[in-house]
Amino acid sequence: DVVLTQTPVSLSVTLGDQASISCRSSQSLEYSDGYTYLEWYLQKPGQSPQLLIYEVSNRFSGVPDRFIGSGSGTDFTLKISRVEPEDLGVYYCFQVTHDPFTFGSGTKLEIK
Amino acid sequence: QVQLQQSGTELVKPASSVKISCKASGYTFTSNYIHWIRQQPGDGLEWIGWIYPGNGDTKYYQKFDGKTTLTTDKSSSTAYMQLSSLTSEDSAVYFCARGMGIFGFAYWGQGTLVTVSS
Repeated sequence: DVVLTQTPVSLSVTLGDQASISCRSSQSLEYSDGYTYLEWYLQKPGQSPQLLIYEVSNRFSGVPDRFIGSGSGTDFTLKISRVEPEDLGVYYCFQVTHDPFTFGSGTKLEIK
Repeated sequence: QVQLQQSGTELVKPASSVKISCKASGYTFTSNYIHWIRQQPGDGLEWIGWIYPGNGDTKYYQKFDGKTTLTTDKSSSTAYMQLSSLTSEDSAVYFCARGMGIFGFAYWGQGTLVTVSS
């Protein structure tokens, strides 16, 4: 199974600052069709996860442009610029390139 | 608007089975995959499998094969997940989710808590 390693495990950020989360895969996530199927989700406290980013860098409808996904191959990053209070929660990367599909272990974002 | 409404909390005994539901509305049920995801207490997310309501095709994470059965009822636009031979390890919140296409889980149910206890 593909292992997604997220760092850091937790992150404490001042409002208005930038946060950066890394997701490293044990295998390349580029599929044979040339696309890379890496997604990012945010699970706010007590809620279901919500989709932020799909195919590495495409923001889902309604997601603020403060959320930027990047990367290729095995190394991916989610950057959140100008962190706001509603950004707190646990962020997960998720790959759907290889069966079985796997989530990273999560990064908890806290506001200082 | 797309909605996925899951059934309520379940308290079940070890070795029994449970069937939880996910009722879809706001779109053509047969046109999108439904995925199921598990979240054990205080833990992260784990993909279980998917079902395509259009033809009933399923795919399971091998780890859950034999434990989990995914079905749908097209007449009521409802997806079901049955868990069998329950142990305390199966205590978790289970989510259903629908992708934008196959993936990209844009829509989620509210989650169903299953507690396995004697």
